[in-house]
Amino acid sequence: FMLTQPHSVSESPGKTVTISCTRSSGSIASSYVQWYQQRPGSSPTTVIYEHNQRPSGVPDRFSGSIDSSSNSASLTISGLKSEDEADYYCQSYDSSNYVFGTGTEVSVL
Amino acid sequence: EVQLVQSGAEVKKPGESLKISCYGSGYSFTNYWIAWVRQMPGKGLEWMGIIYPGDSDTRYSPSFQGQVTISTDKSITTAYLQWSSLKASDTAMYYCARWLAARPSFDYWGQGTLVTVSS
Repeated sequence: FMLTQPHSVSESPGKTVTISCTRSSGSIASSYVQWYQQRPGSSPTTVIYEHNQRPSGVPDRFSGSIDSSSNSASLTISGLKSEDEADYYCQSYDSSNYVFGTGTEVSVL
Repeated sequence: EVQLVQSGAEVKKPGESLKISCYGSGYSFTNYWIAWVRQMPGKGLEWMGIIYPGDSDTRYSPSFQGQVTISTDKSITTAYLQWSSLKASDTAMYYCARWLAARPSFDYWGQGTLVTVSS
């Protein structure tokens, strides 16, 4: 299966952005979805695991959800800050196959 | 403190072999899967494969099966990614990452190893 994300989103500081992640086959609810943030020149870090759980240290401005009707997951960043400017990847798995989404560049205007 | 420390950048010619490493410390190395992830210049993350150091059980992405070999030496808590014959298209950053099954996610990542293949 594949996970498709929008190429880029942009918004002003303080606003809210939502990134979608659509699964091509199989149910989005069949395996947990994770979200990773990758700042330029850095390794990825987890911002959401198990669809909607935040690791300690991740601000509650980050939230995750899934929508079975559209077979997609979403990452929402509220109160956007300049430090949120990064690439974001969703990730899920199926049997022994771990799949990353195509990635979304978030720009803070 | 959990750490994954990868070997340094490499510059190789097409056709050469290469083995890069990922040293794990600060946790029970044999009890967690370790994955390798490719990131080509300006591109996204691609899962290559994963190994369980406890018994060397290894799974590959269909896209990378037969192209690379993943291995581990648990005596020195190190995982490896190797190529027998590099191509220019193997030029990329390669990350190792630990899979945490209890909270499904790649919870720790190495700093990355840049591999450049050029004649």
